[in-house]
Amino acid sequence: EAGVAQSPRYKIIEKRQSVAFWCNPISGHATLYWYQQILGQGPKLLIQFQNNGVVDDSQLPKDRFSAERLKGVDSTLKIQPAKLEDSAVYLCASSQGRGRGKERTEAFFGQGTRLTVV
Amino acid sequence: KQEVTQIPAALSVPEGENLVLNCSFTDSAIYNLQWFRQDPGKGLTSLLLIQSSQREQTSGRLNASLDKSSGRSTLYIAASQPGDSATYLCAVGSNYGQNFVFGPGTRLSVLP
Repeated sequence: EAGVAQSPRYKIIEKRQSVAFWCNPISGHATLYWYQQILGQGPKLLIQFQNNGVVDDSQLPKDRFSAERLKGVDSTLKIQPAKLEDSAVYLCASSQGRGRGKERTEAFFGQGTRLTVV
Repeated sequence: KQEVTQIPAALSVPEGENLVLNCSFTDSAIYNLQWFRQDPGKGLTSLLLIQSSQREQTSGRLNASLDKSSGRSTLYIAASQPGDSATYLCAVGSNYGQNFVFGPGTRLSVLP
């Protein structure tokens, strides 16, 4: 079974530029998450999708961050314009999001995209 | 608002020791709790998931326990090996949206 795919792996941009990250979840997984992990901290949820609908985006800085999952499969996360404090690893995860038992919510993560804003 | 803490922040042990990593959370109304491993520069690897109705889960040399009433989980690693060196993250699943709140992690070094 293929895992969660993310691209690019690394990105360096100047502040005020824009950047986009892509995620393809595990096939059949209805729930998709984007997390931001700042160096030395645990991941923080940015947005959670169930199919193509948003479940939770309460911690997404909506003035500069946006995310979409138009067909309920892959997703893109965009930052425009970027700030220095956006330097972090952006992690995408997915879970089945249906059924019973641990399979419903067990989350599987991609390798992440390391963003450096200079 | 759920808050998750992990103790210790870092741990260095000689190979072969048994060790315990601790995770505490403030809101006991959880759906589940998941332990992850993160190697430097890599994503997260799921180790164990405990449903709120369960007390523990085991996988190989790993055992995770959950005490909802006291807001605690422990990850027990038996007979540690240098390959166990990584950061271990505890994530608490909420009752509502089933997303996870993470702790800051415990950085483990197992010395040969």
